[in-house]
Amino acid sequence: NAGVTQTPKFQVLKTGQSMTLQCAQDMNHNSMYWYRQDPGMGLRLIYYSASEGTTDKGEVPNGYNVSRLNKREFSLRLESAAPSQTSVYFCASSPDSVQPQHFGDGTRLSIL
Amino acid sequence: KNQVEQSPQSLIILEGKNCTLQCNYTVSPFSNLRWYKQDTGRGPVSLTIMTFSENTKSNGRYTATLDADTKQSSLHITASQLSDSASYICVVSLNTGFQKLVFGTGTRLLVSP
Repeated sequence: NAGVTQTPKFQVLKTGQSMTLQCAQDMNHNSMYWYRQDPGMGLRLIYYSASEGTTDKGEVPNGYNVSRLNKREFSLRLESAAPSQTSVYFCASSPDSVQPQHFGDGTRLSIL
Repeated sequence: KNQVEQSPQSLIILEGKNCTLQCNYTVSPFSNLRWYKQDTGRGPVSLTIMTFSENTKSNGRYTATLDADTKQSSLHITASQLSDSASYICVVSLNTGFQKLVFGTGTRLLVSP
């Protein structure tokens, strides 16, 4: 049982490049989330998908887009990467917004 | 502003000793409070979740308490083990249509042999 799988685990980009972070869960959860974690700050919500077919902005959505491809997969896209987007990105899923969230092990992204 | 503050920022204890981590929150409307453990290089893992009416919840050697009146929570770790070395994150859920989470910055615990 893999839980939440994120790819890639590490990535280095140049300013202005684009990339997509992938996330898949095998727990049949309805809700999925993207967070970023920066030193000295709590996790911050970028986007979430309450259920398949819906997406909504979180606390820090600027510079990002998301796609809920199906119930299992939720991707995060950086269209034009900026150094301020250097962070660790976590994907999470939960049966609904009340139940505890299950997190992947993160993607460590550096933008030069 | 919704905030979750944790103390201490970091802590070192000897293996076998007990410790208590603190969490104060100013979050409204409150739904529940969660404690997560995050090992270095890994994602957070849920330890406990408590609603407004619950004062205490245990998960093995971890015991969380909640005082909704003073808006304080604590996480007590009993008979610490080296594997308890991690960051412990206090998270409060907002009682909104789709519940969103407010994360603390965590307490980094090091258990020394």
